[in-house]
Amino acid sequence: KQEVTQIPAALSVPEGENLVLNCSFTDSAIYNLQWFRQDPGKGLTSLLLIQSSQREQTSGRLNASLDKSSGRSTLYIAASQPGDSATYLCAADPLDTDKLIFGTGTRLQVFP
Amino acid sequence: DTGVSQDPRHKITKRGQNVTFRCDPISEHNRLYWYRQTLGQGPEFLTYFQNEAQLEKSRLLSDRFSAERPKGSFSTLEIQRTEQGDSAMYLCASSPTGSSNEKLFFGSGTQLSVL
Repeated sequence: KQEVTQIPAALSVPEGENLVLNCSFTDSAIYNLQWFRQDPGKGLTSLLLIQSSQREQTSGRLNASLDKSSGRSTLYIAASQPGDSATYLCAADPLDTDKLIFGTGTRLQVFP
Repeated sequence: DTGVSQDPRHKITKRGQNVTFRCDPISEHNRLYWYRQTLGQGPEFLTYFQNEAQLEKSRLLSDRFSAERPKGSFSTLEIQRTEQGDSAMYLCASSPTGSSNEKLFFGSGTQLSVL
């Protein structure tokens, strides 16, 4: 059974810092690993999708990497801004099912 | 493309009452999911549809829960005889075909509070 874990659970940093959010998954049999952003009381917004054959994906100040063999993905946020404050969720898309398995998220606060 | 729409945004009900939520996916998206999210947790899968066919239901979906997608467009999720443990955010998501490596588009959710 696929399990997804995210560390740290919460993170508070000053504006301008580069930061790394970690995601680990127990079963490497996945189609992809996805990162989402969730603002308080809102739905999820897809940020990056890394296919199992890929090593990383980039979008603006965001870079996500995938190491399938070790069951790890990282989300790198460069030059963080207060507007980046949100919860970041990773989700694995297993080969044997049509549903995403989510981690519990990292709650990020970037202060001015 | 107006995005995934969910109604209502908030619902407060008394224990034992029935509630129904609606989800309108992005137009022409064939795949539709329901997830449930409690405070501090990630979303948990409930069920999904491919067009009008309900293809999988989670064990979380007790017999008090029923979901439909009658014409392959909007979907409804009904909870009968609500319990306090049903309090959560109910999220709907859609994707074009359901193929692997497609991004999911989520609605803003319906926040249910059972008193």
